[in-house]
Amino acid sequence: GQSLEQPSEVTAVEGAIVQINCTYQTSGFYGLSWYQQHDGGAPTFLSYNALDGLEETGRFSSFLSRSDSYGYLLLQELQMKDSASYFCAAPNTDKLIFGTGTRLQVFP
Amino acid sequence: NAGVMQNPRHLVRRRGQEARLRCSPMKGHSHVYWYRQLPEEGLKFMVYLQKENIIDESGMPKERFSAEFPKEGPSILRIQQVVRGDSAAYFCASSPGTGEDGYTFGSGTRLTVV
Repeated sequence: GQSLEQPSEVTAVEGAIVQINCTYQTSGFYGLSWYQQHDGGAPTFLSYNALDGLEETGRFSSFLSRSDSYGYLLLQELQMKDSASYFCAAPNTDKLIFGTGTRLQVFP
Repeated sequence: NAGVMQNPRHLVRRRGQEARLRCSPMKGHSHVYWYRQLPEEGLKFMVYLQKENIIDESGMPKERFSAEFPKEGPSILRIQQVVRGDSAAYFCASSPGTGEDGYTFGSGTRLTVV
């Protein structure tokens, strides 16, 4: 089986930095990806880590540690529009399994 | 290049009716995935299809639910004899291949059973 656990909610203020964690249990692991979903919207792909370490894409960075079965998404210079749900996801044979999701609320 | 197209966006059905949800993948994508999302919850895998083949249906309920991806036309997720518990958002995603190429999701169909 496979499970990915995330905190249910995170709050922060505009301009701050926030980290969303993801711990996983899996029988086979091929990498960790992150998706963003605004209320009522489609999930959109943010990043993918195939290897340990940090991947940076603009204000967003994603980190993976295979030895710790752990990853995180780091959002810098938070903006109000970053308020959304964030999901980590990992391939399980032929499809993606998604984490429980973290709702990020950004306050002015 | 149009993204993943799902229709309808909203669907209301009475208990016992049938619901048909359609998904056209991105051009060049041959892999289609259906996910269900209940309010305030995550995305639950239902089924993975390629043209004319169901590859993995391990997430599909055993009864009333079926999916197809014919040689021509969109993928269809069909729910027969809907019940209130089927109310959810159903998302379709496509990818050019297996592995992590990044799924592209459609805008979803929000099914409400009254």
